[in-house]
Amino acid sequence: GQSLEQPSEVTAVEGAIVQINCTYQTSGFYGLSWYQQHDGGAPTFLSYNGLDGLEETGRFSSFLSRSDSYGYLLLQELQMKDSASYFCAVRDEGTGFQKLVFGTGTRLLVSP
Amino acid sequence: DAGVIQSPRHEVTEMGQEVTLRCKPISGHDYLFWYRQTMMRGLELLIYFNNNVPIDDSGMPEDRFSAKMPNASFSTLKIQPSEPRDSAVYFCASSLALELAQETQYFGPGTRLLVL
Repeated sequence: GQSLEQPSEVTAVEGAIVQINCTYQTSGFYGLSWYQQHDGGAPTFLSYNGLDGLEETGRFSSFLSRSDSYGYLLLQELQMKDSASYFCAVRDEGTGFQKLVFGTGTRLLVSP
Repeated sequence: DAGVIQSPRHEVTEMGQEVTLRCKPISGHDYLFWYRQTMMRGLELLIYFNNNVPIDDSGMPEDRFSAKMPNASFSTLKIQPSEPRDSAVYFCASSLALELAQETQYFGPGTRLLVL
């Protein structure tokens, strides 16, 4: 089987930097994805790491260490609109390559 | 493209009634996924299709749930009979054929189901 662990909630202020960690256990591994979901909205894709290292997309970066089964999402220059839930997800050969398994999500609260 | 379209956006029904949720994936996408999201269980994959064929329905909670994809542009998720514990947000998502490179699932706006 597979499992992912994320902190349930993170708080920060506007302009700050926040890191959301994700550790996973899978029977195979084909990359770590991150999705953002605003309250009442749908999950939307943010980033993907298939190989070790850092991927940067504007204010957001995502890191992966396959040897540590660990990744994180880094949000810089936080804005109020970044308040949302953030999910890490793995695509796991053990459950079928096409299936995404989502973590329980981290609720980010950005205050003025 | 209009993105993934789901209907209805909200559904309130009484226990025992049949509920049908509908989804139109993004044109050209090969895969269609049905998810359920609740506070207790998070985002769960119920079933997914590849080229209209159900591939994995191991996430379907019980026989009361069924899903079909009669063509590439339409899928339904049916609950019969519905129960209060089925209350959740149901998302449909679609994606292109998968490769080992980055892959993205595009989610619809969801159907918020409340079973009384």
